[in-house]
Amino acid sequence: DGGITQSPKYLFRKEGQNVTLSCEQNLNHDAMYWYRQDPGQGLRLIYYSQIVNDFQKGDIAEGYSVSREKKESFPLTVTSAQKNPTAFYLCASSPTSGFNEQFFGPGTRLTVL
Amino acid sequence: QKEVEQNSGPLSVPEGAIASLNCTYSDRGSQSFFWYRQYSGKSPELIMSIYSNGDKEDGRFTAQLNKASQYVSLLIRDSQPSDSATYLCAVNPSDGLSTNAGKSTFGDGTTLTVKP
Repeated sequence: DGGITQSPKYLFRKEGQNVTLSCEQNLNHDAMYWYRQDPGQGLRLIYYSQIVNDFQKGDIAEGYSVSREKKESFPLTVTSAQKNPTAFYLCASSPTSGFNEQFFGPGTRLTVL
Repeated sequence: QKEVEQNSGPLSVPEGAIASLNCTYSDRGSQSFFWYRQYSGKSPELIMSIYSNGDKEDGRFTAQLNKASQYVSLLIRDSQPSDSATYLCAVNPSDGLSTNAGKSTFGDGTTLTVKP
Protein backbone atom coordinates (compact mmCIF):
# COMPACT_ATOMS: atom_id res chain seq x y z
CA ASP A 1 0.00 0.00 0.00
CA GLY A 2 1.96 2.97 -1.30
CA GLY A 3 1.72 6.44 0.13
CA ILE A 4 3.14 9.20 2.24
CA THR A 5 3.03 9.20 6.01
CA GLN A 6 3.60 12.09 8.36
CA SER A 7 3.97 11.99 12.09
CA PRO A 8 2.86 13.11 14.49
CA LYS A 9 -0.59 14.29 13.44
CA TYR A 10 -0.65 16.92 16.17
CA LEU A 11 2.38 18.46 17.85
CA PHE A 12 2.65 20.97 20.65
CA ARG A 13 5.83 22.91 21.22
CA LYS A 14 6.94 25.26 23.90
CA GLU A 15 8.60 28.46 22.83
CA GLY A 16 12.35 28.02 22.40
CA GLN A 17 12.17 24.33 21.55
CA ASN A 18 13.19 22.66 18.33
CA VAL A 19 10.84 20.02 16.98
CA THR A 20 11.20 17.55 14.12
CA LEU A 21 8.36 16.51 11.84
CA SER A 22 8.63 13.15 10.12
CA CYS A 23 7.79 12.44 6.47
CA GLU A 24 8.20 9.02 4.85
CA GLN A 25 7.15 7.82 1.38
CA ASN A 26 7.19 4.42 -0.29
CA LEU A 27 6.21 5.65 -3.74
CA ASN A 28 9.81 5.51 -4.98
CA HIS A 29 9.60 9.23 -5.76
CA ASP A 30 12.84 11.16 -6.17
CA ALA A 31 11.47 14.55 -5.12
CA MET A 32 10.05 15.56 -1.75
CA TYR A 33 8.67 18.86 -0.50
CA TRP A 34 7.65 20.63 2.68
CA TYR A 35 4.91 23.25 2.72
CA ARG A 36 3.41 25.42 5.37
CA GLN A 37 -0.26 26.39 5.33
CA ASP A 38 -1.77 29.02 7.60
CA PRO A 39 -5.53 29.23 8.19
CA GLY A 40 -7.36 30.37 5.08
CA GLN A 41 -4.12 30.66 3.11
CA GLY A 42 -2.45 28.79 0.28
CA LEU A 43 0.63 26.59 0.38
CA ARG A 44 4.06 28.12 0.93
CA LEU A 45 7.14 26.10 0.03
CA ILE A 46 9.69 25.70 2.82
CA TYR A 47 12.27 23.26 1.38
CA TYR A 48 12.44 20.72 -1.39
CA SER A 49 14.77 17.94 -2.44
CA GLN A 50 15.18 16.30 -5.82
CA ILE A 51 17.78 13.74 -4.80
CA VAL A 52 19.34 12.17 -1.74
CA ASN A 53 21.83 14.39 0.11
CA ASP A 54 20.70 17.50 -1.73
CA PHE A 55 17.97 20.05 -1.02
CA GLN A 56 17.05 23.64 -1.88
CA LYS A 57 15.41 26.45 0.03
CA GLY A 58 11.89 27.38 -0.86
CA ASP A 59 10.18 30.70 -0.30
CA ILE A 60 10.11 30.63 3.52
CA ALA A 61 13.12 28.56 4.65
CA GLU A 62 14.21 30.82 7.52
CA GLY A 63 13.85 29.07 10.86
CA TYR A 64 13.59 25.61 9.32
CA SER A 65 16.09 22.88 8.46
CA VAL A 66 15.86 19.57 6.59
CA SER A 67 17.92 16.53 5.75
CA ARG A 68 17.64 13.93 2.98
CA GLU A 69 19.80 10.99 3.97
CA LYS A 70 17.45 8.41 2.46
CA LYS A 71 15.23 8.53 -0.59
CA GLU A 72 12.21 7.59 1.50
CA SER A 73 12.63 10.16 4.26
CA PHE A 74 12.63 13.96 4.42
CA PRO A 75 12.34 15.20 8.02
CA LEU A 76 11.72 18.87 8.79
CA THR A 77 13.05 20.58 11.92
CA VAL A 78 11.28 23.69 13.12
CA THR A 79 13.87 25.59 15.09
CA SER A 80 13.47 28.16 17.83
CA ALA A 81 14.47 30.77 15.24
CA GLN A 82 11.08 30.37 13.58
CA LYS A 83 9.11 33.10 15.31
CA ASN A 84 5.60 32.07 14.35
CA PRO A 85 5.63 28.31 13.77
CA THR A 86 1.98 27.54 14.52
CA ALA A 87 0.64 26.17 11.23
CA PHE A 88 -0.36 23.09 9.26
CA TYR A 89 2.70 21.40 7.74
CA LEU A 90 2.35 19.32 4.61
CA CYS A 91 4.87 16.96 3.07
CA ALA A 92 4.59 15.93 -0.58
CA SER A 93 6.50 13.81 -3.07
CA SER A 94 6.65 13.57 -6.83
CA PRO A 95 8.55 11.82 -9.59
CA THR A 96 11.06 13.99 -11.42
CA SER A 97 10.22 12.52 -14.79
CA GLY A 98 6.93 12.32 -16.58
CA PHE A 99 4.18 14.63 -15.41
CA ASN A 100 5.53 15.32 -11.92
CA GLU A 101 2.25 15.30 -10.01
CA GLN A 102 2.72 15.89 -6.31
CA PHE A 103 1.09 13.64 -3.74
CA PHE A 104 0.56 14.84 -0.21
CA GLY A 105 0.78 13.26 3.20
CA PRO A 106 -1.94 13.82 5.80
CA GLY A 107 -0.14 16.74 7.44
CA THR A 108 1.09 17.70 10.90
CA ARG A 109 -0.62 20.45 12.85
CA LEU A 110 1.94 22.27 15.00
CA THR A 111 0.88 24.52 17.84
CA VAL A 112 3.23 26.63 19.93
CA LEU A 113 2.13 26.97 23.52
CA GLN B 1 1.34 39.78 -10.23
CA LYS B 2 1.16 36.33 -8.68
CA GLU B 3 2.50 33.46 -10.77
CA VAL B 4 -0.73 31.50 -10.36
CA GLU B 5 -3.95 33.34 -9.63
CA GLN B 6 -7.32 32.03 -8.62
CA ASN B 7 -10.53 33.74 -7.61
CA SER B 8 -10.53 33.46 -3.85
CA GLY B 9 -14.29 33.09 -3.68
CA PRO B 10 -16.13 31.88 -1.87
CA LEU B 11 -18.08 30.38 -4.73
CA SER B 12 -21.53 29.12 -3.87
CA VAL B 13 -23.67 26.99 -6.17
CA PRO B 14 -26.86 25.02 -5.62
CA GLU B 15 -26.79 21.25 -5.62
CA GLY B 16 -26.95 19.87 -9.16
CA ALA B 17 -25.50 23.00 -10.79
CA ILE B 18 -22.22 23.35 -12.64
CA ALA B 19 -19.39 24.87 -10.64
CA SER B 20 -16.72 26.67 -12.66
CA LEU B 21 -13.30 27.34 -11.14
CA ASN B 22 -10.71 29.41 -12.96
CA CYS B 23 -6.95 29.79 -12.77
CA THR B 24 -4.51 31.98 -14.71
CA TYR B 25 -0.74 31.65 -14.79
CA SER B 26 2.10 33.91 -15.82
CA ASP B 27 4.74 31.46 -17.15
CA ARG B 28 3.82 31.07 -20.82
CA GLY B 29 6.02 28.00 -21.22
CA SER B 30 4.36 25.98 -18.44
CA GLN B 31 3.58 22.44 -19.48
CA SER B 32 1.84 20.65 -16.61
CA PHE B 33 -1.28 21.76 -14.79
CA PHE B 34 -3.04 20.23 -11.81
CA TRP B 35 -6.18 20.63 -9.73
CA TYR B 36 -6.21 19.59 -6.09
CA ARG B 37 -9.17 19.38 -3.73
CA GLN B 38 -8.62 20.20 -0.07
CA TYR B 39 -11.31 19.55 2.50
CA SER B 40 -11.18 21.67 5.64
CA GLY B 41 -8.47 20.42 7.97
CA LYS B 42 -7.19 17.85 5.48
CA SER B 43 -4.33 17.66 3.01
CA PRO B 44 -4.71 18.38 -0.74
CA GLU B 45 -5.77 15.52 -2.98
CA LEU B 46 -4.93 15.45 -6.69
CA ILE B 47 -8.12 15.25 -8.75
CA MET B 48 -7.12 16.29 -12.29
CA SER B 49 -4.00 16.69 -14.41
CA ILE B 50 -3.92 18.27 -17.85
CA TYR B 51 -1.06 18.83 -20.25
CA SER B 52 -2.56 19.57 -23.68
CA ASN B 53 -4.87 22.30 -24.90
CA GLY B 54 -8.52 21.36 -24.77
CA ASP B 55 -10.73 19.45 -22.39
CA LYS B 56 -10.05 16.44 -20.23
CA GLU B 57 -12.99 14.71 -18.60
CA ASP B 58 -13.04 12.39 -15.59
CA GLY B 59 -16.48 11.57 -14.29
CA ARG B 60 -18.18 14.78 -13.18
CA PHE B 61 -14.93 16.76 -13.51
CA THR B 62 -13.67 18.47 -16.66
CA ALA B 63 -10.37 20.32 -16.83
CA GLN B 64 -9.93 22.85 -19.62
CA LEU B 65 -6.59 24.24 -20.74
CA ASN B 66 -5.94 27.20 -23.03
CA LYS B 67 -2.20 27.84 -23.25
CA ALA B 68 -2.57 30.81 -25.60
CA SER B 69 -4.68 32.61 -23.01
CA GLN B 70 -2.75 31.11 -20.09
CA TYR B 71 -5.69 29.81 -18.19
CA VAL B 72 -6.86 26.50 -16.87
CA SER B 73 -10.30 25.82 -15.49
CA LEU B 74 -12.15 23.08 -13.65
CA LEU B 75 -15.81 22.36 -14.21
CA ILE B 76 -17.76 20.24 -11.76
CA ARG B 77 -21.05 19.00 -13.17
CA ASP B 78 -24.00 17.96 -11.01
CA SER B 79 -22.34 19.52 -7.98
CA GLN B 80 -22.89 17.71 -4.70
CA PRO B 81 -22.56 18.98 -1.11
CA SER B 82 -19.59 16.61 -0.81
CA ASP B 83 -17.80 18.76 -3.42
CA SER B 84 -17.66 21.61 -0.91
CA ALA B 85 -13.93 22.21 -0.44
CA THR B 86 -11.08 24.48 -1.45
CA TYR B 87 -9.72 23.80 -4.93
CA LEU B 88 -6.06 24.52 -5.58
CA CYS B 89 -4.60 25.11 -9.03
CA ALA B 90 -0.94 24.15 -9.52
CA VAL B 91 1.42 24.78 -12.41
CA ASN B 92 4.85 23.27 -13.10
CA PRO B 93 7.59 25.59 -14.34
CA SER B 94 9.06 25.44 -17.79
CA ASP B 95 12.62 26.48 -17.07
CA GLY B 96 13.91 22.95 -17.66
CA LEU B 97 16.15 23.07 -14.60
CA SER B 98 16.53 19.65 -13.06
CA THR B 99 16.32 21.22 -9.62
CA ASN B 100 12.82 22.43 -10.46
CA ALA B 101 11.47 19.18 -11.90
CA GLY B 102 8.15 18.51 -10.20
CA LYS B 103 8.24 21.78 -8.26
CA SER B 104 4.76 23.20 -8.61
CA THR B 105 3.58 26.74 -8.03
CA PHE B 106 0.21 26.75 -6.26
CA GLY B 107 -2.56 29.29 -6.35
CA ASP B 108 -4.18 30.33 -3.09
CA GLY B 109 -7.28 28.29 -3.84
CA THR B 110 -10.99 28.88 -4.42
CA THR B 111 -13.44 27.80 -1.75
CA LEU B 112 -16.55 26.15 -3.16
CA THR B 113 -19.76 25.65 -1.22
CA VAL B 114 -22.50 23.48 -2.70
CA LYS B 115 -25.82 24.18 -1.02
CA PRO B 116 -28.43 21.37 -0.77
